[in-house]
Amino acid sequence: GAVVSQHPSRVICKSGTSVKIECRSLDFQATTMFWYRQFPKQSLMLMATSNEGSKATYEQGVEKDKFLINHASLTLSTLTVTSAHPEDSSFYICSATWQGRAYEQYFGPGTRLTVT
Amino acid sequence: GDSVTQMEGPVTLSEEAFLTINCTYTATGYPSLFWYVQYPGEGLQLLLKATKADDKGSNKGFEATYRKETTSFHLEKGSVQVSDSAVYFCALLTGNQFYFGTGTSLTVIP
Repeated sequence: GAVVSQHPSRVICKSGTSVKIECRSLDFQATTMFWYRQFPKQSLMLMATSNEGSKATYEQGVEKDKFLINHASLTLSTLTVTSAHPEDSSFYICSATWQGRAYEQYFGPGTRLTVT
Repeated sequence: GDSVTQMEGPVTLSEEAFLTINCTYTATGYPSLFWYVQYPGEGLQLLLKATKADDKGSNKGFEATYRKETTSFHLEKGSVQVSDSAVYFCALLTGNQFYFGTGTSLTVIP
């Protein structure tokens, strides 16, 4: 089946720094990638949707200047958390699909971000 | 708005026990319903789905029936195995957006 990887799996950074999370589709071309955030004991919340070569579409309440998303190729999307603060500590999950098939998303294993 | 309410865990069962994880939903339209499973260190994997009322999704011995009258999509398995230990997420898809439950952790002991 389709495989999506994320890197790193865990990252700790200091408050005020930026951190980049990569999401890769390993064996298919991902025309669309999704970024989710999950707080402890809460559900996954969609942050943004990115289509290859286009600007990401952010969900209401998500700061686009803080969470920079780049989907420059059909196999890679990146999420950069800029000027991170402790409240940005969370579990970030990406998923990927092709041809806008939102019902057939393949999920990465997630990245645990801790901001100290 | 659209949402999913899922049975809280954690759930611990002995091998070969019967499993039920409850899931109910709220949706304004006609969503598709899903169960995803996440094994330790891995991404969410689609377990089963149902796209319309009365549909039954099934896979690997797991089943769930789309009940519109009770807005439910409960996950069941007749005899769980240790290898079923994972976190299970109920989700609905409306338009192009997923809404997930909070996940239920299942541990099966030998």
